[in-house]
Amino acid sequence: EVELVDSGGGLVQPGRSLRLSCEASGFSFDDFAMHWVRQAPGKGLEWVSGISWDRSRVDYADSVKGRFTISRDSAKNSLNLQMNSLRAEDTALYYCVKDRDVGITWYFDLWGRGTQVTVSS
Amino acid sequence: DIQMTQSPSSLSASVGDRVTITCQASQDISNYLNWYQQKPGKAPELLIYDASNLERGVPSRFSGSGSGTDFTFTISSLQPEDIATYYCQQCDTLPTFGGGTKVEIK
Repeated sequence: EVELVDSGGGLVQPGRSLRLSCEASGFSFDDFAMHWVRQAPGKGLEWVSGISWDRSRVDYADSVKGRFTISRDSAKNSLNLQMNSLRAEDTALYYCVKDRDVGITWYFDLWGRGTQVTVSS
Repeated sequence: DIQMTQSPSSLSASVGDRVTITCQASQDISNYLNWYQQKPGKAPELLIYDASNLERGVPSRFSGSGSGTDFTFTISSLQPEDIATYYCQQCDTLPTFGGGTKVEIK
């Protein structure tokens, strides 16, 4: 079964760090770019970051640039998001998302179920 | 950033009705426009890509049109299982989404 399983979310204090992970299965992970998209409670969708299949291209939304780092591990078929200096406005459900191509095209054709991140003191 | 303005923000229609949602980009994005469906408590799913192409397995009652800055998403005959929030998304540059349209049954 083609699937993305997000994990690593939780409750964290402002200024602290958190690392999200996503395990891919059922498709050739190395053949596709990957992304993180978030959704604040009761709000719409916001693209956060993307990485090409070979890590040659990495993009970030301005709202997280300099604080978040995306990475991928081919041996483990996993996508990661290291989130530092977290703020209350980072509170959201974070989705791991598959691109339809090897390069970053921003066509999001498979989504995980999401992992909740709550930033609060 | 390219801003995506979606309307209406919500609508209520009867089963069998034709439903139309519009999405306007703040600048020309050619046909780099996708539509997603998000059912309550679920992750979004891609329905239409490149403004008018139906993703595999998506029912033919869903359709999209437009180019440049103005786009339209249509459900030709609303079904109970179509209750969801629909989002447009531009993929011409760093992606941005419309604010969403919540579709309910009257």
